[in-house]
Amino acid sequence: DSGVTQTPKHLITATGQRVTLRCSPRSGDLSVYWYQQSLDQGLQFLIQYYNGEERAKGNILERFSAQQFPDLHSELNLSSLELGDSALYFCASSGTSGGAATGELFFGEGSRLTVL
Amino acid sequence: AQSVTQLGSHVSVSEGALVLLRCNYSSSVPPYLFWYVQYPNQGLQLLLKYTSAATLVKGINGFEAEFKKSETSFHLTKPSAHMSDAAEYFCAVSVRGSARQLTFGSGTQLTVLP
Repeated sequence: DSGVTQTPKHLITATGQRVTLRCSPRSGDLSVYWYQQSLDQGLQFLIQYYNGEERAKGNILERFSAQQFPDLHSELNLSSLELGDSALYFCASSGTSGGAATGELFFGEGSRLTVL
Repeated sequence: AQSVTQLGSHVSVSEGALVLLRCNYSSSVPPYLFWYVQYPNQGLQLLLKYTSAATLVKGINGFEAEFKKSETSFHLTKPSAHMSDAAEYFCAVSVRGSARQLTFGSGTQLTVLP
């Protein structure tokens, strides 16, 4: 158990809809990262938050947005969903020492999104 | 920008045989390197990491990897494969001074044959 919790584990929705994925980082971790894993694109970094502030952006579509709340949990919002958005979305967190200095991440079990 | 190339999207070995999963990196500054494992329907779990200390790194489950700067490689090995090692393995790199996000390779699916 990594200590990172993601909900929901599975989500099925239709094209054009909007969903929200939730992540609770390990206790004490200030950084939260979102990754998308799909068969054709592999593991792609989407966005990072540190203590409520956006720190880095990767290959995140404009239809997607994220935020980190004062209690450090994070939400990834996906809107105007397309078939190609079907993927496994991972949240990861890193600590304030050691792991954070080297980039070691602790991953949740992911939220599998299916867009029909 | 840093990148990682994993050679071989699928590797099959017999139980008890040597496991060798290849990873080459590209980075303009000294990297940190990682191997993660993903079992079916699970998240990624850290196997081992290189952070500029010893070049031979030992991880969990009997895996180890050697950082070779001259070859820009960080191959993962295990002397004797076990059925439970069947999973997908990802090599990843981060660099000092960055926002610490990991850049992952495309993954290698390891199959262990009885």
